[in-house]
Amino acid sequence: QKEVEQNSGPLSVPEGAIASLNCTYSDRGSQSFFWYRQYSGKSPELIMFIYSNGDKEDGRFTAQLNKASQYVSLLIRDSQPSDSATYLCAVYNQGGKLIFGQGTELSVKP
Amino acid sequence: KAGVTQTPRYLIKTRGQQVTLSCSPISGHRSVSWYQQTPGQGLQFLFEYFSETQRNKGNFPGRFSGRQFSNSRSEMNVSTLELGDSALYLCASSLSRAGTGEKLFFGSGTQLSVL
Repeated sequence: QKEVEQNSGPLSVPEGAIASLNCTYSDRGSQSFFWYRQYSGKSPELIMFIYSNGDKEDGRFTAQLNKASQYVSLLIRDSQPSDSATYLCAVYNQGGKLIFGQGTELSVKP
Repeated sequence: KAGVTQTPRYLIKTRGQQVTLSCSPISGHRSVSWYQQTPGQGLQFLFEYFSETQRNKGNFPGRFSGRQFSNSRSEMNVSTLELGDSALYLCASSLSRAGTGEKLFFGSGTQLSVL
């Protein structure tokens, strides 16, 4: 079992819709969770982080964390074509390493 | 504030050679982590340096090594290059030790091709 798992996609949504990206992790002791966005040919860019159970909102982005289910998600409201990218979920394990999922490719169609 | 700077941007080497990659963290950041990114394996953790000491290491062979200088700049070295070492090597810096919930900020990476 991989430490951090994501659906690879591609996930295709129409412009203006809500995109929902999901991630599960295996280390029950993990405390810190991150979402990075990576455009093709570019490096990962931090867009959200969450440490506590529940929701955290920042503009059009909402991160949701459920530690009991070992599940973290990212919602993108009013999706725009410029949101088309690969979204990487990252989790610190108890060994102190930031482990990345394989990423979910998002495509927002005009 | 300048971001994380990695040099060189592109590198072409042949099997058996060695290579050194450089990373300058964001000013004030004391921790540098290195990752390898390939289409098949995704982002994989190589190692982390803080206060000139390796604090954490991923599952890579001893051919991969690194160091950190007193100004927090870091170098990564790969000896006896293999074809499978072709990848994007990313450096990330954080204010304090990674693993304590610190946010990592990535550089543009060095694209290494081994022929």
